[in-house]
Amino acid sequence: DGGITQSPKYLFRKEGQNVTLSCEQNLNHDAMYWYRQDPGQGLRLIYYSQIVNDFQKGDIAEGYSVSREKKESFPLTVTSAQKNPTAFYLCASSMASGRAETTYEQYFGPGTRLTVT
Amino acid sequence: AQTVTQSQPEMSVQEAETVTLSCTYDTSESDYYLFWYKQPPSRQMILVIRQEAYKQQNATENRFSVNFQKAAKSFSLKISDSQLGDAAMYFCAYQKNFGNEKLTFGTGTRLTIIP
Repeated sequence: DGGITQSPKYLFRKEGQNVTLSCEQNLNHDAMYWYRQDPGQGLRLIYYSQIVNDFQKGDIAEGYSVSREKKESFPLTVTSAQKNPTAFYLCASSMASGRAETTYEQYFGPGTRLTVT
Repeated sequence: AQTVTQSQPEMSVQEAETVTLSCTYDTSESDYYLFWYKQPPSRQMILVIRQEAYKQQNATENRFSVNFQKAAKSFSLKISDSQLGDAAMYFCAYQKNFGNEKLTFGTGTRLTIIP
């Protein structure tokens, strides 16, 4: 089955600790994304990567870090510098850009609910 | 910067009836994509329908169709013959074409189906 997996589904951490959220895809997609979802605010882009070993900041990158060492994996680290880390985090992937007449619709994983106390 | 606005935080519809969810967006681009995503209580984001801005014909997917008004920058979703399984949050999203795959989302509309 092709798809995107995120683990764990629920994650609890103490304030001041870094935590890494996992995202893996076997869709052979080049691009991967991390979004954060808060009540009443829709989804906001944290980081995205269009190719291995390269990534760009999204709209709310402060307090987060990512790596893209493999095409299939795009882990997100929520650092202690993130002021309000409790949220629902969604990972997505899509085909690469730059090809005319190609749709770039994003496929989403099931999400991770992070609670920091 | 692109913005997407969904002005209806909540909507409800009787089962088997038709409902229309509104979305407007702001962009200076001429080529882009628009999407409607559904998020049921499981919180899995599911693509419902997409529209390419260069296509004049409105997209349809079974009971789901859109009314795309490019000049007005409006992109509404019509759900016909509403079913209990349609109950969810619906998000409108914008994506610039050719090179920037970032999705810009609206704040969502919660759709309730009344049996």
